[in-house]
Amino acid sequence: GQQLNQSPQSMFIQEGEDVSMNCTSSSIFNTWLWYKQDPGEGPVLLIALYKAGELTSNGRLTAQFGITRKDSFLNISASIPSDVGIYFCAALQTDSWGKLQFGAGTQVVVTP
Amino acid sequence: NAGVTQTPKFRILKIGQSMTLQCTQDMNHNYMYWYRQDPGMGLKLIYYSVGAGITDKGEVPNGYNVSRSTTEDFPLRLELAAPSQTSVYFCASRPGQGLSPLHFGNGTRLTVT
Repeated sequence: GQQLNQSPQSMFIQEGEDVSMNCTSSSIFNTWLWYKQDPGEGPVLLIALYKAGELTSNGRLTAQFGITRKDSFLNISASIPSDVGIYFCAALQTDSWGKLQFGAGTQVVVTP
Repeated sequence: NAGVTQTPKFRILKIGQSMTLQCTQDMNHNYMYWYRQDPGMGLKLIYYSVGAGITDKGEVPNGYNVSRSTTEDFPLRLELAAPSQTSVYFCASRPGQGLSPLHFGNGTRLTVT
């Protein structure tokens, strides 16, 4: 099936630093989503992007839907300890019955 | 609001045993999904349903069965558990057609030994 390539696989950062991660694919998608997963819980939606070129912010989070519709990035500014977790990109095509494709995740560890 | 509720949270099975993972949602969502998550991997779709009485296979359906007799419930059945089915299972739902995102449950951690 289609594959989303998410990088980096993990990041170890100090509190206050900015974080960037991205997802790329060889396929075109109509929606890009970013989820965060805390230990023992299900993924929680952070940001949804519906239009090529769209740049959306949610607090310290900023995500962009790539112009080619084949990629997206997520930035976290001024990281804090509660940013620790696994971040997943996911993408959707309109006629796919809502079947999301997921990236493998980026593990973020924040040290004081 | 409960959202998507999964039970049990944890389960250990012996090889060859069977069990049903329960999933229910109270948001009147038509579309429901079962994913499995293995370490270092993204979520892989097992089965999905676009409404009561309608189910279809996802990317990794072998060894599983589902049913959708009501809008609210979407149980996942393992008939003959195998070690390869050790994983964390997530149920999710969304309202219907269009590009609305998924709402996830908190997962069931299954170990088959």
